[in-house]
Amino acid sequence: GENVEQHPSTLSVQEGDSAVIKCTYSDSASNYFPWYKQELGKRPQLIIDIRSNVGEKKDQRIAVTLNKTAKHFSLHITETQPEDSAVYFCAALWGTGNQFYFGTGTSLTVIP
Amino acid sequence: SAVISQKPSRDICQRGTSLTIQCQVDSQVTMMFWYRQQPGQSLTLIATANQGSEATYESGFVIDKFPISRPNLTFSTLTVSNMSPEDSSIYLCSVESRVGTYEQYFGPGTRLTVT
Repeated sequence: GENVEQHPSTLSVQEGDSAVIKCTYSDSASNYFPWYKQELGKRPQLIIDIRSNVGEKKDQRIAVTLNKTAKHFSLHITETQPEDSAVYFCAALWGTGNQFYFGTGTSLTVIP
Repeated sequence: SAVISQKPSRDICQRGTSLTIQCQVDSQVTMMFWYRQQPGQSLTLIATANQGSEATYESGFVIDKFPISRPNLTFSTLTVSNMSPEDSSIYLCSVESRVGTYEQYFGPGTRLTVT
């Protein structure tokens, strides 16, 4: 099965700085990689995703990069704001039934 | 994206009992999934709820413990059977709201505490 590793587990940045979270996956057949943001007590929210036929995708202050050869992908948040504080999960699609394997999560704190 | 609701939102149950969690979607969806999120942990897929056939369970999860129903394309239930304190978790359903996109959206979750 798929194995997804995520680093770091915790990350603190000053407001306005950038934050980068990295994930690696094991199954070279994986072709879809979403990122979820989960605020305390709330459901995970899909914030951005990338498919294996592209190397980078941007949406305002958020970007995701994918290196299929190295089997890793990263979330980049620029100009961080206090409302970016949350737990972020990466995931990789695996198998024929659209199953997701999730990373262990990164707790991001943006210090005002 | 689809609007997803779950019932109950939370419950406190005694060990040895069972709880059935409902997941309702406001539109027909092909793919529905059930996840478990233990306190402070990541999300673990329990099973894929298949309409018209038995659910597909992931390694470590069995039908006797987590029976799932999927009577139609908008509704599913997950039962947590013969509960123990180790079953205390948040249980979430998710759906692929647009066929073929792989994009999954989550319900609000059910917080279960077993005493």
